[in-house]
Amino acid sequence: DAGVIQSPRHEVTEMGQEVTLRCKPISGHDYLFWYRQTMMRGLELLIYFNNNVPIDDSGMPEDRFSAKMPNASFSTLKIQPSEPRDSAVYFCASSRQNEQFFGPGTRLTVL
Amino acid sequence: GENVEQHPSTLSVQEGDSAVIKCTYSDSASNYFPWYKQELGKRPQLIIDIRSNVGEKKDQRIAVTLNKTAKHFSLHITETQPEDSAVYFCAASVNGNKLVFGAGTILRVKS
Repeated sequence: DAGVIQSPRHEVTEMGQEVTLRCKPISGHDYLFWYRQTMMRGLELLIYFNNNVPIDDSGMPEDRFSAKMPNASFSTLKIQPSEPRDSAVYFCASSRQNEQFFGPGTRLTVL
Repeated sequence: GENVEQHPSTLSVQEGDSAVIKCTYSDSASNYFPWYKQELGKRPQLIIDIRSNVGEKKDQRIAVTLNKTAKHFSLHITETQPEDSAVYFCAASVNGNKLVFGAGTILRVKS
């Protein structure tokens, strides 16, 4: 198994641009999580899905952030418009029974 | 909501010594407590977890203890090795899925 796959691994964009992060969970996992990690705020859960349905999006910082999971093997996290304070590492994770397996992360830099 | 505090923020030990990291949580309904290790530039990885019906769990050089009454749990690493150097995160969850992470502990093992 290839593990959780995220793309791109690095993204540099300018303020105001739309950013789309992608995630492919481990096959057979029915939970998918999006996290953001920064030095100031640590590791924060943004949103999670169960069987492709969003369960808790209380961690999504503002309306500029949106996430979708159109099928069991794909999810996106979109930021529109992006701002410099969105710069962070974004992790996707998936699980079947509690243990969450993290992807390699996307390092986002918004100039 | 749940709040997890983690101490210390940094910990330096000599190779071969033991290391202890402590966490407290606020929600008495939390019943799942995982610990993640994150090496520099890498993804978090689960190293051990414990559920509220168990007071202690061991896996080779790693152990976790849980005190439900006091609402705190600890990670114990014995016979530390340089490869144990990393950031360690504790987390707590009510439903086993929505994890609230502590701020992390930077562990340095000096050889």
